[in-house]
Amino acid sequence: DVQMTQSPSTLSASVGDTVTITCRASQNISPWLAWYQHKPGKAPELLIYKASNLRSGVPSRFSGSGSGTEFTLTITRLQPDDFATYYCQLYDGYSIYTFGQGTNLEIK
Amino acid sequence: QVQLQESGPGLLRPSETLSLNCSVSGTSINSASYYWGWIRQPPGKGLEWIGSITDYGTTYNDPSLKSRVSISVDTSRSQFTLKLSSVTAADTAVYYCARQYLRSFDFWGQGTLVTVSS
Repeated sequence: DVQMTQSPSTLSASVGDTVTITCRASQNISPWLAWYQHKPGKAPELLIYKASNLRSGVPSRFSGSGSGTEFTLTITRLQPDDFATYYCQLYDGYSIYTFGQGTNLEIK
Repeated sequence: QVQLQESGPGLLRPSETLSLNCSVSGTSINSASYYWGWIRQPPGKGLEWIGSITDYGTTYNDPSLKSRVSISVDTSRSQFTLKLSSVTAADTAVYYCARQYLRSFDFWGQGTLVTVSS
């Protein structure tokens, strides 16, 4: 099985900051890496698919990069609405999907 | 617009079978472009993929759930169904259905809480 490690688990930041979240896979999963934003009581929302493709309607402050086994989500100019939990998700190329452990982005 | 809606009982006894339906609208459930998946979130924990069904009916599920999971599609009713047998308290979670596109989950239902308790 492909293992996924997401870090950090908690991230404190202020409005206007730039933050980065990282996911590392135990083997090459390119390009099958997605990022989601999840707020309490709501459904998760897809932000980035295929590692670096911004979903239509998602602000350009969100960007994804990486390949192989290491991927990052970067959020620039943090807005109040951005404070949420973020998950990465991989597809192993055969049949299995795995979510990262989540990063709780909180206001400093 | 694309909408998914989960439905099913919110309370189960241990050893019973969980059965949830996901009604799909605004998109074709038998399109070759999409798969359909189930994801859950236990209280205080992260998202867990349960399983998926492809446009041609092949199913895949998380190995940790072994043979307890069954997913099917009813194209005539534009819905797909999750069955999880022999539930325990560890299966208590918010269950989401979602559309899959390019190996990601692009549209989600609002989620439904399923509690397993005697």
